[in-house]
Amino acid sequence: QLQLQESGSGLVKPSQTLSLTCAVSGGSISSGGYSWSWIRQPPGKGLEWIGYIYHSGSTYYNPSLKSRVTISVDRSKNQFSLKLSSVTAADTAVYYCARGWGYCTTDWGQGTLVTVSS
Amino acid sequence: QPVLTQSSSASASLGSSVKLTCTLSSGHSSYIIAWHQQQPGKAPRYLMKLEGSGSYNKGSGVPDRFSGSSSGADRYLTISNLQSEDEADYYCETWDSNTVVFGGGTKLTVL
Repeated sequence: QLQLQESGSGLVKPSQTLSLTCAVSGGSISSGGYSWSWIRQPPGKGLEWIGYIYHSGSTYYNPSLKSRVTISVDRSKNQFSLKLSSVTAADTAVYYCARGWGYCTTDWGQGTLVTVSS
Repeated sequence: QPVLTQSSSASASLGSSVKLTCTLSSGHSSYIIAWHQQQPGKAPRYLMKLEGSGSYNKGSGVPDRFSGSSSGADRYLTISNLQSEDEADYYCETWDSNTVVFGGGTKLTVL
């Protein structure tokens, strides 16, 4: 059974870079047909897609965040990562990693809260 | 880029049925969507993938009480025999040109 586990700093200072990793177990990140996503949810608000990396290594980002986002994969560790630069308080959210079949999200991690504060 | 519109809230009585709606923006009425459930304090859970034809594929372990249907640009999630654990936020999701979009979510209250 697929499991996705987010990890990283829960507190980031304004203007710094948020870094999160998603460890994948019960499945290979190199399996064809899957996308590996980051999605966030500010407190009390809805879901916002950040971006994903496809099994081929191609990356696609939310246009509103594109200039600040990098998603990468480490196949040797079966994990993928998110970097979001120049963070502000508006980036405070629960961050979820997820797997999609094609583009459709089908599996979610448990989420990790990241707070941006000095 | 498609836009998904959902009512902000809905309510129904325990044991009854409720039909939630997700509406696709103009020009995107044929798009496939997915429905997700988010119970309070928990991560979202994938419920189903729903096509414009009304055909749907549910995720593993999703109860038979959950079903999907479509009409034009509208995509529906019907929950029958409502249980207390169905009280949750429900989000629809779609995708286009390598972009993913979520609806604003519907908060379902079970009375």
